Amino acid sequence: GEKVEQHESTLSVREGDSAVINCTYTDTASSYFPWYKQEAGKSLHFVIDIRSNVDRKQSQRLIVLLDKKAKRFSLHITATQPEDSAIYFCAASTAGFASALTFGSGTKVIPCLP
Amino acid sequence: NSKVIQTPRYLVKGQGQKAKMRCIPEKGHPVVFWYQQNKNNEFKFLINFQNQEVLQQIDMTEKRFSAECPSNSPCSLEIQSSEAGDSALYLCASSLAGNSDYTFGSGTRLLVI
Repeated sequence: GEKVEQHESTLSVREGDSAVINCTYTDTASSYFPWYKQEAGKSLHFVIDIRSNVDRKQSQRLIVLLDKKAKRFSLHITATQPEDSAIYFCAASTAGFASALTFGSGTKVIPCLP
Repeated sequence: NSKVIQTPRYLVKGQGQKAKMRCIPEKGHPVVFWYQQNKNNEFKFLINFQNQEVLQQIDMTEKRFSAECPSNSPCSLEIQSSEAGDSALYLCASSLAGNSDYTFGSGTRLLVI
């Protein structure tokens, strides 16, 4: 089955700098790649997603890149703010109907003072 | 506020007790998923439904868990005989298309003591 590996377990980022979280996947049939944010003690909050028919998507300060050849996708948080502090999870699913998500292991983003 | 409603938020059970949690999917979403997130932040897919029909479930779910999504009632996930290892956050998600745009509920945090 699909495996999603999230490479950074913790990321300390100076406020104002960019944070980059990288994920790789194994199933070439994967076509949908969402990112979720989870604050301490809370549920998953959707932040951004990308589908396999594009290689870049931006929503305000968030940019997601997809490299299908390398089976890699990444989340870029630009101009990191204190409110970006959370654990971020990448995930992947295939195009099959009712396809379950496979999650990465999470990256804790810690903004620190410049 | 999430459009997927999960109750209760917290559940404390003794080992061997039944634990039941409920989920109301987003209106119009025919596909419902249950996931378990353990204390190490590992997610495990448990089961999914299309309307009232089970589509896929893992071995663990077949043996000790039961789940249903009756029409006009909340979906539910029940652990027949809770074990300490079942302590986790149980997340319900729904989807219109079934393979994207998942909406997650706030989760039920189960503690088995």
